[in-house]
Amino acid sequence: GQQVMQIPQYQHVQEGEDFTTYCNSSTTLSNIQWYKQRPGGHPVFLIQLVKSGEVKKQKRLTFQFGEAKKNSSLHITATQTTDVGTYFCAGGTGGGNKLTFGTGTQLKVEL
Amino acid sequence: DGGITQSPKYLFRKEGQNVTLSCEQNLNHDAMYWYRQDPGQGLRLIYYSQIVNDFQKGDIAEGYSVSREKKESFPLTVTSAQKNPTAFYLCASSIIGGNEQFFGPGTRLTVL
Repeated sequence: GQQVMQIPQYQHVQEGEDFTTYCNSSTTLSNIQWYKQRPGGHPVFLIQLVKSGEVKKQKRLTFQFGEAKKNSSLHITATQTTDVGTYFCAGGTGGGNKLTFGTGTQLKVEL
Repeated sequence: DGGITQSPKYLFRKEGQNVTLSCEQNLNHDAMYWYRQDPGQGLRLIYYSQIVNDFQKGDIAEGYSVSREKKESFPLTVTSAQKNPTAFYLCASSIIGGNEQFFGPGTRLTVL
C-alpha cells in the first residue's frame, strides 16, 4: 500500500533558527496537505498543494510540492516558540477523500 | 458554533470489553473518518465514510467496527478482538472532494 515517510522524526532548534521537514511518498500524489498538531491537541490544517512544482507561503512558512508530485517540504524561517508541535504531511490520490498521513516531525524550539 | 465533538476525552476499559467512541459534527460534512495515533507512527486510518449508511475500511480496520446511520454521527466501536487498543483516537470530517479535514479533540483510550 501507499506509504508516506517524513524526516526528520524529531528536531530541536534554538529560537530564530530555520527548520525544514521533508515528506516522501511511495506513489504519485494528486495533492498534499500539511497539518500541525500542538502538544496535547489535535491536527489542524495548514495548507493544500495540488500542482506539480507548486510553492506556497504563509508568513514564515514555505511549502513546496515536488515536480514528480511524490515529495514535499515545509520550511519555517526564524522559528518561534509558537511553532512548537508536530507537523504532518498527508497525501491524497485520485479524486477521493482518503489521505495517507506521514509519520510526522516533532519540532521543539528552545529559547 | 460549528465543529466536531468527541466524547469522552479520556476512557478506561478492562481488557476484553467492547467500547464505543462517539463522534458528532455539525459542519454538514458528508465525509467522516476515524484515525488512530500512536507515538512516532503518525495517524493511521481505521474507517471512513462518504455517505450515510456506507463506509469503507482503512488501513487498520481489524478489531474495529463503525456505523453511519446519520450524517452527523460516526461512532467507532473498539472490540475485544483489537489486540492493542490503547491509543489516541481522532475523528475527522470533510466535504467530498479531497479537501481539508477538520479534526475533533480526540479520545484517549486506555485498556487495563
